[in-house]
Amino acid sequence: QVQLQESGPGLVKPSETLSLTCTVSGDSISRFHWNWIRQPPGKGLEWIGYIYSSGGTHYNPSLKSRVTMSVDTSNKKLSLKLSSVTPADTAMYYCARGSLGATGGSYYFYMDVWGKGTTVTVSS
Amino acid sequence: QSVLTQPPSVSAAPGQKVTISCSGSSSNIGNNYVCWYQQLPGTAPKLLIYENDKRPSGIPDRFSGSKSGTSSTLGITGLQTGDEADYYCGTWDNSLSAGVFGGGTRLTVL
Repeated sequence: QVQLQESGPGLVKPSETLSLTCTVSGDSISRFHWNWIRQPPGKGLEWIGYIYSSGGTHYNPSLKSRVTMSVDTSNKKLSLKLSSVTPADTAMYYCARGSLGATGGSYYFYMDVWGKGTTVTVSS
Repeated sequence: QSVLTQPPSVSAAPGQKVTISCSGSSSNIGNNYVCWYQQLPGTAPKLLIYENDKRPSGIPDRFSGSKSGTSSTLGITGLQTGDEADYYCGTWDNSLSAGVFGGGTRLTVL
């Protein structure tokens, strides 16, 4: 079965760029939307965006100016970069396999496999 | 402030039934499918319900989902202490062109 593992620096300085990797194992990376979601300490979930297996991306408008996602299909790795970070970006960051599509004029969007998450703290 | 509105907390006794509501608008729940996630303490979210009322393989039928208009409801019957968790609704928002979540509801099994 597919498993996801996030990795990256646990501490990032303000104004720098946060860089995370998600390694996919156990299944193909094709045909899915690969999402990044974050959760500040004690708070709810925020969707950051997704990258499709072909490389197409879609970001949350609230973060779009600072987010870049990429995919390395041969090594089954996903990458998230978030620039100009501030303490407000401190959170648990998750990658998740998702499905997004339309049927009968309505969109379905859900994430069925999640990584365990990696904690990122933004502090000097 | 979350796009979808959930009650902060609910509680019920073991063996009882509980429902958790999720309220949105025509740009999200009103015109799209809803999903629900369970987040046990210290763990990643887990998909419970997708496309309003479908359960992934391995999710017991104690968990159910429904949608009416711009609201969705998660139902849990036969409550167990192991059900104590945070529950989140989610969907796609057409106006924002983004995935959105509710603020989460903490379930306490007394």
